[in-house]
Amino acid sequence: SQQGEEDPQALSIQEGENATMNCSYKTSINNLQWYRQNSGRGLVHLILIRSNEREKHSGRLRVTLDTSKKSSSLLITASRAADTASYFCAPGADNYNQGGKLIFGQGTELSVKP
Amino acid sequence: NAGVTQTPKFQVLKTGQSMTLQCAQDMNHEYMSWYRQDPGMGLRLIHYSVGAGITDQGEVPNGYNVSRSTTEDFPLRLLSAAPSQTSVYFCASSYSSSGSYGYTFGSGTRLTVV
Repeated sequence: SQQGEEDPQALSIQEGENATMNCSYKTSINNLQWYRQNSGRGLVHLILIRSNEREKHSGRLRVTLDTSKKSSSLLITASRAADTASYFCAPGADNYNQGGKLIFGQGTELSVKP
Repeated sequence: NAGVTQTPKFQVLKTGQSMTLQCAQDMNHEYMSWYRQDPGMGLRLIHYSVGAGITDQGEVPNGYNVSRSTTEDFPLRLLSAAPSQTSVYFCASSYSSSGSYGYTFGSGTRLTVV
């Protein structure tokens, strides 16, 4: 299993602006997942993009995946104060024997100011 | 449908005491895992299980034991609590151990060891 590395570590924007977070990883993957964590709460699964997909949308979220560059990005459009949270990416194993375990990085802390 | 339930939500232990953090899921998920989250460290995987009767170590297993006697329950035991185990603990589950499905997280147990 491997860890995703999120960039930037912190991001501060105004309400209504778009927020872009990036994720890099090192080896081949089956999928890549993004999670959100509000302060003091558990992580919430946002979106999963499989290795044969290049782009996926869910509401105001857009995720891209470039397996040749081993990178992914999460775009939140028209951000709201309620989007303030930490965002984590997690590369999904390419090997069934990995047991599906996900390793999380330190995340991107997003602050959306009203 | 309760999802993943963790108890207790808060706990204070004295150094050397033992205790069990409970985790239960009602989604018939095959895969379960425990993480700890410390400031600036992201989430670190302690132990995981790919099915009843099967457990394995994660990144930081020392000082913790797990068992998986049923599909629903995955308790985490602290054998002899140390101040270094002060942390927030999260349990997570997933439909499959293949790594191809998102995780559902519990709301966490905040543990302080004095």
